[in-house]
Amino acid sequence: TQLLEQSPQFLSIQEGENLTVYCNSSSVFSSLQWYRQEPGEGPVLLVTVVTGGEVKKLKRLTFQFGDARKDSSLHITAAQPGDTGLYLCADRFQGAQKLVFGQGTRLTINP
Amino acid sequence: GAGVSQTPSNKVTEKGKYVELRCDPISGHTALYWYRQSLGQGPEFLIYFQGTGAADDSGLPNDRFFAVRPEGSVSTLKIQRTERGDSAVYLCASSLSSDNEQFFGPGTRLTVL
Repeated sequence: TQLLEQSPQFLSIQEGENLTVYCNSSSVFSSLQWYRQEPGEGPVLLVTVVTGGEVKKLKRLTFQFGDARKDSSLHITAAQPGDTGLYLCADRFQGAQKLVFGQGTRLTINP
Repeated sequence: GAGVSQTPSNKVTEKGKYVELRCDPISGHTALYWYRQSLGQGPEFLIYFQGTGAADDSGLPNDRFFAVRPEGSVSTLKIQRTERGDSAVYLCASSLSSDNEQFFGPGTRLTVL
């Protein structure tokens, strides 16, 4: 069974600050995905990374995939209140159709 | 077009009762997934349908849980003899095919008193 560990579990910072959250896996990722979930809604896909060492950017968000494909980070530059939400990493363990999720990082950006 | 819809949005029931949760996937999506999200946790996989058949039901916690998708579109998750530990948000997702992005609905919040 694959276990995804996210850290920190909670993060509260001021608007304009930078932050990084992490996702580590007990086994090599098949296809790592990052999601954001807002209260009362389902998760929304932000990015998929597949290749070790891959870096993807989405506006102020930078996603990095470890060379060994067992860890990933999400960096947000100049955080805004609209970035508030639950950030989840997930994997298609062993290429299966189901997603395995981490427990999430709950991010709060204070104005 | 419309996204994934789930009804009801909230369901409160008493311990021991039977409940049904409905999911309407995006039109044309052949794959449908159910997940359960407990408070403070990430979603946990329950069951995956490809068309009308359950291709993977390895996440169903016990035989009180059952899901159907008789015409390959709408799906119903059925929980018998509900227990307080079943309280969670039940999320449904659909994808164009099994390898494509999963789109999630807003979930049904189930509370068992």
